[in-house]
Amino acid sequence: AQTVTQSQPEMSVQEAETVTLSCTYDTSESNYYLFWYKQPPSRQMILVIRQEAYKQQNATENRFSVNFQKAAKSFSLKISDSQLGDTAMYFCAFMKHFPGSQGNLIFGKGTKLSVKP
Amino acid sequence: NAGVMQNPRHLVRRRGQEARLRCSPMKGHSHVYWYRQLPEEGLKFMVYLQKENIIDESGMPKERFSAEFPKEGPSILRIQQVVRGDSAAYFCASSHGFDEQFFGPGTRLTVL
Repeated sequence: AQTVTQSQPEMSVQEAETVTLSCTYDTSESNYYLFWYKQPPSRQMILVIRQEAYKQQNATENRFSVNFQKAAKSFSLKISDSQLGDTAMYFCAFMKHFPGSQGNLIFGKGTKLSVKP
Repeated sequence: NAGVMQNPRHLVRRRGQEARLRCSPMKGHSHVYWYRQLPEEGLKFMVYLQKENIIDESGMPKERFSAEFPKEGPSILRIQQVVRGDSAAYFCASSHGFDEQFFGPGTRLTVL
């Protein structure tokens, strides 16, 4: 069975600085997807970034980038130039690649990020 | 294009009552997933449905919980004889295929 571990329950960062959130996972699969979701106080789940395991290049989306280390089964999220609106819970998630997947996501317990002015 | 709709947003039930949670997927999406989020926890998969079929219900409790996605209308997650431990946020997500899942705003169920 796959598991996702986020070892940092809470983190804080000063506005405009950079912060990195950690995520490790355990799987015997070779093809899979990894995701970071953001859940602000509104509780809406928002996709931040996704990574296909077969791609060696790290995904980037504006101020968000990942450091994907497949051999180490590590998938960290870096947020550059942090903004107050980045304050939220951040969840790392895993999904097996189709075929062999029913498409359900496996989530970590989350990291609560606070951006301070 | 409207996103995933869930209603109600908040639902209060007394122990022993039934709770019905509704989810309308995004237009064109035929895959629906239900997840439960307990306080201070991540989301846990419950059930995956396509139109008129339950594909995977491995995350669903064996008793009191059921789900459907009829040919017409929204997907329904039904919880019979609710208990305090059912209090949680229930999220629905939809996708076109085995692709990005788009989440609804969730239903927060409180059992008194």
